[in-house]
Amino acid sequence: QKEVEQDPGPLSVPEGAIVSLNCTYSNSAFQYFMWYRQYSRKGPELLMYTYSSGNKEDGRFTAQVDKSSKYISLFIRDSQPSDSATYLCAICHDYKLSFGAGTTVTVRA
Amino acid sequence: NAGVTQTPKFQVLKTGQSMTLQCAQDMNHNSMYWYRQDPGMGLRLIYYSASEGTTDKGEVPNGYNVSRLNKREFSLRLESAAPSQTSVYFCASSAQGLKSYNEQFFGPGTRLTVL
Repeated sequence: QKEVEQDPGPLSVPEGAIVSLNCTYSNSAFQYFMWYRQYSRKGPELLMYTYSSGNKEDGRFTAQVDKSSKYISLFIRDSQPSDSATYLCAICHDYKLSFGAGTTVTVRA
Repeated sequence: NAGVTQTPKFQVLKTGQSMTLQCAQDMNHNSMYWYRQDPGMGLRLIYYSASEGTTDKGEVPNGYNVSRLNKREFSLRLESAAPSQTSVYFCASSAQGLKSYNEQFFGPGTRLTVL
């Protein structure tokens, strides 16, 4: 079993829609949870991180962690065409990252 | 401040050929990493170097070797390339020890095709 499983997508949504991305993880010892964004033919870049259960907001982005269910989510409100990218969840343990497979999101204008 | 740079950007090899992928960072980071990214598989760690002078295997090290040349540079070598090594390779670095969530900064990637 992979340490991190991510809903594969792809997702295609109209501009202004809410995008919901999800991952599950297997090791309850994981402490830090991250979302990376990767534009086409670029390297991933950190979008958000959190370490506790609950919600963390940053502008139009909300990261949610449920440690009891080992479930993490990323919500994008009022999605824009510029949000079109692949989103990867990542879990940090022993300073190494385990990544989900990524979900490709297309926001249609 | 270039961040993480990788060379080359593209490479085509024949089976059995060797090559070295170069990576350099100018952020004075302690740790460096090599990943490969394949469709449906996400990013998988090949090797990492927690600090200058140390290297360790990641999830998929077979067929690869690494050298941490100095604090800035971390190279990945394919001794005898195989078609299964066709992938996009990313180098990353992190400060480690300063931020517990270990933000990693990625280079632009090297697209490798092995025929």
